Amino acid sequence: KAGVTQTPRYLIKTRGQQVTLSCSPISGHRSVSWYQQTPGQGLQFLFEYFSETQRNKGNFPGRFSGRQFSNSRSEMNVSTLELGDSALYLCASSFGLRQETQYFGPGTRLLVL
Amino acid sequence: EDKVVQSPLSLVVHEGDTVTLNCSYEVTNFRSLLWYKQEKKAPTFLFMLTSSGIEKKSGRLSSILDKKELFSILNITATQTGDSAIYLCAVFNGDTGNQFYFGTGTSLTVIP
Repeated sequence: KAGVTQTPRYLIKTRGQQVTLSCSPISGHRSVSWYQQTPGQGLQFLFEYFSETQRNKGNFPGRFSGRQFSNSRSEMNVSTLELGDSALYLCASSFGLRQETQYFGPGTRLLVL
Repeated sequence: EDKVVQSPLSLVVHEGDTVTLNCSYEVTNFRSLLWYKQEKKAPTFLFMLTSSGIEKKSGRLSSILDKKELFSILNITATQTGDSAIYLCAVFNGDTGNQFYFGTGTSLTVIP
């Protein structure tokens, strides 16, 4: 069974631009969560989708948004990029809601110049 | 405010040493605590703890949870250079969905 995949793996953008990251969960998994990881803050929860609906949202500004498609693939969008958005963005999938066992993808490393 | 705090932030030890990593938490509707190991890639799952006082063990790694004092420890005995990684602690709040709170991690370096 293939693991969680994320594309692209690396991305360089400039301030003010927007970016879309993609996550394909493990086959059969319906929950996808997104995290931002920075050296100073560690992993911070962005949001979680289940059955195309956002179920949970962390404390991030509205520039961060996401969606989930009927095949459970998820995208995350960040608009008006700031330097502080430079981070590793990880997605994790799990079978359903209230499932502690989540599997992480390799992440997308975003650099904002 | 829900939070998870790990200590120490970083640790350098020699091969063969034993290390103890700490994780304390304040999370409403606690459901479980998880430990992950992160090398230069995605975090990989180590342990999930839900009950106090029951040690989980996997080889040289072991972990235990104290729900009264709101903390967990991860022990690694006879450390090896391959144990060098960031160890992440996360608390799962299953109240409204899959809400995980992560600590900032402990960076462990094992030198030969």
